Amino acid sequence: EADIYQTPRYLVIGTGKKITLECSQTMGHDKMYWYQQDPGMELHLIHYSYGVNSTEKGDLSSESTVSRIRTEHFPLTLESARPSHTSQYLCASSPGWDASPLHFGNGTRLTVT
Amino acid sequence: GQNIDQPTEMTATEGAIVQINCTYQTSGFNGLFWYQQHAGEAPTFLSYNVLDGLEEKGRFSSFLSRSKGYSYLLLKELQMKDSASYLCAVRDSNYQLIWGAGTKLIIKP
Repeated sequence: EADIYQTPRYLVIGTGKKITLECSQTMGHDKMYWYQQDPGMELHLIHYSYGVNSTEKGDLSSESTVSRIRTEHFPLTLESARPSHTSQYLCASSPGWDASPLHFGNGTRLTVT
Repeated sequence: GQNIDQPTEMTATEGAIVQINCTYQTSGFNGLFWYQQHAGEAPTFLSYNVLDGLEEKGRFSSFLSRSKGYSYLLLKELQMKDSASYLCAVRDSNYQLIWGAGTKLIIKP
């Protein structure tokens, strides 16, 4: 039973289009994250949030933006999609800093043609 | 720079035991996590170590040595469903997670 939801699961889109990847969680977690993951590679942090109206940039934040207007919702927007954005995008949340693990959504597989 | 090293791929036999190693060099240390990720799926949490020693959880155990910058994940009584990638992640002094590239574990009958 998923407590963190990502939509769409798969997306194929043309170069230059603006797209928004959705992420919602029902666990009341303050902290949320967006990661990019290519096959056989480590997760790269794109953006993260400590709570409502709080957003921070990660290592790969260029060309994308996020918003956190509600605790449960953390959408990621690519202003102009490029083939280099083709990847798996994972959203995650956690309740705190200590031993709390991240809970991941099922991901969005994005292909930019 | 910060770095986490894991073997790229390992193969083991059903019913056997396998140890997946992880070495790290990070700016500070605030805990180490192991995650399991099946192909095409999201990572799921396996274990957490912040103090030296062994943490046991059923068929899975995780060990940490902070002085050596070293951890391992031990999987016993391997089952075919254990075929997956195993990700090591370290929380640094800024409480950010640094991820390894993962170890793909192949289980053979």
